[in-house]
Amino acid sequence: AQSVTQLGSHVSVSEGALVLLRCNYSSSVPPYLFWYVQYPNQGLQLLLKYTSAATLVKGINGFEAEFKKSETSFHLTKPSAHMSDAAEYFCAVSGNTGGFKTIFGAGTRLFVKA
Amino acid sequence: EPEVTQTPSHQVTQMGQEVILRCVPISNHLYFYWYRQILGQKVEFLVSFYNNEISEKSEIFDDQFSVERPDGSNFTLKIRSTKLEDSAMYFCASAAEAVEQYFGPGTRLTVT
Repeated sequence: AQSVTQLGSHVSVSEGALVLLRCNYSSSVPPYLFWYVQYPNQGLQLLLKYTSAATLVKGINGFEAEFKKSETSFHLTKPSAHMSDAAEYFCAVSGNTGGFKTIFGAGTRLFVKA
Repeated sequence: EPEVTQTPSHQVTQMGQEVILRCVPISNHLYFYWYRQILGQKVEFLVSFYNNEISEKSEIFDDQFSVERPDGSNFTLKIRSTKLEDSAMYFCASAAEAVEQYFGPGTRLTVT
């Protein structure tokens, strides 16, 4: 079975500050991990993915995430927040089970203050 | 860049009516999925489809739901008798190698 826990349903940062969105996963098979961003009334955009290669993954818009197996974590970071980063962020896990269905976390809404 | 498309973007229907949501996956993809997102909630897996059959379905995907790939290009989700609680955004996704799924823009279904 697979599951994802995102710590913090809401995170607020100032523009220019570090963004840290936390994600922990559980998986009975080697996991593939993803971060998606969703802007209001829009679809899901893939930010980055971990598929068992490098543990530090760089994505679009300056985001990156580090896979830590010992901590079962895949936290998302960005050194300097921009107003346009305000959105809902979903961590997700997949794996060789159930046709590689993707299991999503509950989401974290990021607010960026000017 | 190839993308997954979905039609309609918004569907309004009355309770008890049948709806069909349509998806056109990326052309060389072999794995297909439906997910839904109730307003303000997380995205939930409904069903995965490969080699013309369902690979896995969730508890949500009961007898009221069905999927079909009628013509080798479209991938449809049918809800036979809609309920108020079926109101949600429905996302289609496709993948070439299962791991990286590409999501469509979604269809917002409103059941009145």
